[in-house]
Amino acid sequence: NAGVTQTPKFQVLKTGQSMTLQCAQDMNHEYMSWYRQDPGMGLRLIHYSVGAGITDQGEVPNGYNVSRSTTEDFPLRLLSAAPSQTSVYFCASSYSRLAIIAGANVLTFGAGSRLTVL
Amino acid sequence: GENVEQHPSTLSVQEGDSAVIKCTYSDSASNYFPWYKQELGKGPQLIIDIRSNVGEKKDQRIAVTLNKTAKHFSLHITETQPEDSAVYFCAAVPPGGGNKLTFGTGTQLKVEL
Repeated sequence: NAGVTQTPKFQVLKTGQSMTLQCAQDMNHEYMSWYRQDPGMGLRLIHYSVGAGITDQGEVPNGYNVSRSTTEDFPLRLLSAAPSQTSVYFCASSYSRLAIIAGANVLTFGAGSRLTVL
Repeated sequence: GENVEQHPSTLSVQEGDSAVIKCTYSDSASNYFPWYKQELGKGPQLIIDIRSNVGEKKDQRIAVTLNKTAKHFSLHITETQPEDSAVYFCAAVPPGGGNKLTFGTGTQLKVEL
């Protein structure tokens, strides 16, 4: 049981380049999300998904795209990287919203992906 | 939307002392308050949580208290140890918020020998 796996761990991009951060979970979690972590700003929600085929925007979605074709995978795409997107990105997953209502909304985080945009 | 403020941003204590981290939230309807610990180079990990129908919860050396009237909640760590050194985040979830946690800005706790 690997939990939440993120790749790559480190990436350096030039302004304008595109890339995809990968996230996979093996816990059969319906809910998956992406956060970015910046100094002094905590963790901010970028996009989330409550199940395969369903995605929605979080607090800071601009410049990022997501898709959820399977329950296991939730990639985050940067279409045209900007220096403001230099950050540490975390993928997190949990049980479904129904489980949340029952009191089980515990997020499991991946180890993070550190992205630098020059 | 929900807004969570967390203080202090850094906290240094001697081994064996207690540490307290405080958070305030803005949405009086929020009903779930988890605390996460992030060790260097790792993702945050849930260490304790509390729901709005409970005033206090303990788990060995850590405890969380909730004051719904004042809209604040606190993390208490007793008998601190070097392995408690980490960044701690509080979070809040309003009703219907699902798993959309709003996090505080984090507290860097350093336990000195």
